[in-house]
Amino acid sequence: AQRVTQPEKLLSVFKGAPVELKCNYSYSGSPELFWYVQYSRQRLQLLLRHISRESIKGFTADLNKGETSFHLKKPFAQEEDSAMYYCALKVGGGNTPLVFGKGTRLSVIA
Amino acid sequence: ETGVTQSPTHLIKTRGQQVTLRCSSQSGHNTVSWYQQALGQGPQFIFQYYREEENGRGNFPPRFSGLQFPNYSSELNVNALELDDSALYLCASSLGGQFEQYFGPGTRLTVT
Repeated sequence: AQRVTQPEKLLSVFKGAPVELKCNYSYSGSPELFWYVQYSRQRLQLLLRHISRESIKGFTADLNKGETSFHLKKPFAQEEDSAMYYCALKVGGGNTPLVFGKGTRLSVIA
Repeated sequence: ETGVTQSPTHLIKTRGQQVTLRCSSQSGHNTVSWYQQALGQGPQFIFQYYREEENGRGNFPPRFSGLQFPNYSSELNVNALELDDSALYLCASSLGGQFEQYFGPGTRLTVT
């Protein structure tokens, strides 16, 4: 079965420090990987997806099929990055569902 | 463009009762997915509706059922509520064939 693992429940970093939120997945095929973010009192929203290979709000994530990982990185954390981050896996195209990890709470300390 | 809305915001029910949660999809979206998010967990897929037909189901018992209406809004029904059904229920809509799901704010269900 497909699975997404986010090993850290909470990650605290100082403002300006680098951030890396870890995500590992188990799936033997070609996955689609996503990062979703939930800011305080807001709904879950898409942050980025591996297909687009873009940087959103300074965050990037590279799919490493050899290590089955999709870690989220940002070189310099900002206070407004504090939020709950979920890694998600989609197997198959179209309307197939998302499989989420348990999430990591990022706290950026001023 | 109107986003995904869910009602009610909060709900308290007693074990054994039945509950109906509602979701209005984003304008133009024909697919609705429902997720259960227990405390401290990520969202877990319940089922999906595409053009009024169930189009996939996660590992949930039959007492979890749903409907999608011609305007693509949707309902999630849970019968014979159990304490473990206490969770945040999320609805997400998408346009068939596209990948991005847009989430609603959720309904917080508490079963006592």
